[in-house]
Amino acid sequence: QKEVEQNSGPLSVPEGAIASLNCTYSDRGSQSFFWYRQYSGKSPELIMFIYSNGDKEDGRFTAQLNKASQYVSLLIRDSQPSDSATYLCAVRHASRFGNEKLTFGTGTRLTIIP
Amino acid sequence: DTEVTQTPKHLVMGMTNKKSLKCEQHMGHRAMYWYKQKAKKPPELMFVYSYEKLSINESVPSRFSPECPNSSLLNLHLHALQPEDSALYLCASSQGRLAGGSTDTQYFGPGTRLTVL
Repeated sequence: QKEVEQNSGPLSVPEGAIASLNCTYSDRGSQSFFWYRQYSGKSPELIMFIYSNGDKEDGRFTAQLNKASQYVSLLIRDSQPSDSATYLCAVRHASRFGNEKLTFGTGTRLTIIP
Repeated sequence: DTEVTQTPKHLVMGMTNKKSLKCEQHMGHRAMYWYKQKAKKPPELMFVYSYEKLSINESVPSRFSPECPNSSLLNLHLHALQPEDSALYLCASSQGRLAGGSTDTQYFGPGTRLTVL
């Protein structure tokens, strides 16, 4: 069973602070990792992907990957009320059938407090 | 442009109706996906089409029937649904395994909110 685990939250962070979202995965053969943001009633929107160990920065967002610890995180700097959403971690596993399948975590609900 | 469009936005149907959901992308993507999402749950994969061929069927009941008429279009035909099938149905697309490799990224459409009475 390939599992992706996230703390469901809610995670409450003051406006302007750093929000830290975490995700662990069970399959050591996992290749690439995606963070999606989903507002209530809307569809998931890609924030970032990462596939190499280390940090990847895009604006206020930083994704961190540690394959040895099977851990991926998303940091949101200078949190804004508009960042309040559910954040989904998704993992692609190595497969002889191809790369199409993602496994999603259950999501972390983030609330930014003004 | 990373736009995937879906129609209709909302659909209410009875258990004896036949309806179809439509999805379209013009990004040249060769993989298209149907997901089902219930409230407060992650998206659940239903079907994957890769290069217009069905490559993954996640043991979905036959009352859901996918169709990929060409590389830009994906349909989901619905027949004799149950109230528990009410959910947000999401379409996604990606470049596909040959072009996208390990960083192949899925982009979601806005979804169709389906209610089965």
